Amino acid sequence: KTQVEQSPQSLVVRQGENCVLQCNYSVTPDNHLRWFKQDTGKGLVSLTVLVDQKDKTSNGRYSATLDKDAKHSTLHITATLLDDTATYICVVGDRGSALGRLHFGAGTQLIVIP
Amino acid sequence: EAAVTQSPRNKVAVTGGKVTLSCNQTNNHNNMYWYRQDTGHGLRLIHYSYGAGSTEKGDIPDGYKASRPSQENFSLILELATPSQTSVYFCASGGTGVNTGQLYFGEGSKLTVL
Repeated sequence: KTQVEQSPQSLVVRQGENCVLQCNYSVTPDNHLRWFKQDTGKGLVSLTVLVDQKDKTSNGRYSATLDKDAKHSTLHITATLLDDTATYICVVGDRGSALGRLHFGAGTQLIVIP
Repeated sequence: EAAVTQSPRNKVAVTGGKVTLSCNQTNNHNNMYWYRQDTGHGLRLIHYSYGAGSTEKGDIPDGYKASRPSQENFSLILELATPSQTSVYFCASGGTGVNTGQLYFGEGSKLTVL
């Protein structure tokens, strides 16, 4: 059973617009949540990690929220650029150490058009 | 700079053949992982290791073996490759502790089994 669900599956926005990606999960325990960016044919690159019960992070034009009560996270991308075209993957970790299980979503494919 | 290097990046194998995927990390991380990524699915854990000489089964280990001869190197071995093992394989290395954000992925190895 899929424990990490991402929506939308794909999204097309115009350059300069903002967008929001959603992640809902059922993983228990939910120690932390990461967002990764994956360019086509490349590996995953970490954008941010959220840890607290209700957490917020910011990394340039990327900002993220986590609500562990709702088991829900969002990734906001502000003023999108063509280089933001990629798949964004939500990952929930069930332990504090890297040896804990990581549960991966299938990703949201973002396409930014001129 | 943190680095995880995979080889080969592309491989075509025949059914029943032996395939070895190699991974090298220069991050001095204890933990290393092998995942596979298939369209419509999140990454799935095949094998992992928490140090030289150790290997552990992940969620889908059947048909795969792993070897960790040193801190830097972690290999995935398909003794008898099957078409169902056609996929993109990712190696990752991670330090201990969530808040360090230390989780790095290689760029992937695309395997096609004919």
